[in-house]
Amino acid sequence: GVTQSPTHLIKTRGQQVTLRCSSQSGHNTVSWYQQALGQGPQFIFQYYREEENGRGNFPPRFSGLQFPNDSSELNVNALELDDSALYLCASSSGLAGGHINNEQFFGPGTRLTVL
Amino acid sequence: DQQVKQNSPSLSVQEGRISILNCDYTNSMFDYFLWYKKYPAEGPTFLISISSIKDKNEDGRFTVFLNKSAKHLSLHIVPSQPGDSAVYFCAASNYNQGGKLIFGQGTELSVKP
Repeated sequence: GVTQSPTHLIKTRGQQVTLRCSSQSGHNTVSWYQQALGQGPQFIFQYYREEENGRGNFPPRFSGLQFPNDSSELNVNALELDDSALYLCASSSGLAGGHINNEQFFGPGTRLTVL
Repeated sequence: DQQVKQNSPSLSVQEGRISILNCDYTNSMFDYFLWYKKYPAEGPTFLISISSIKDKNEDGRFTVFLNKSAKHLSLHIVPSQPGDSAVYFCAASNYNQGGKLIFGQGTELSVKP
């Protein structure tokens, strides 16, 4: 399955954070979502074969990387209080022709608290 | 701008009865819809999906109905079981744009024994 680390994290405003994800074996697409309390997950961005393949309405201080070994990172610079949320990583398998399989498999998330 | 809306934050149903969870969307470009279930401290788990070329998809106790003219979909769970108690999210996407899933706010289902 999809794993994420760490499970919980506390940072202070202005700091930087790196969250990690290990995709399901055989999946070449990873997406990151932010879920604020009481809300549904919001799409941050997606990586397909190590290239960014779409981005949601998040500022450039949210950045990502995908590595050849099915792992990926979400980096957030200059943390703000509103960045406090559950961060979810989801993996899926890309289909021929670049049509990404929509059935994404989620990890348990990293709970980030910014003080 | 909430493109996918789940207007009922919570739903309580008796065990054995039908649970109906509703979802509305505004973007007519959406052509693929999914339901996810989420337990506390776990990530969302894929439940069932439907393409816009269909109006119904069934998988065991779970059936999703899509009404494109009304931009409305619903998830029926029959019969409901206490283990179904969770938060249910509907999500929508344009299939050709792949991974950008737009989620609703979720509905918390409670199935009473």
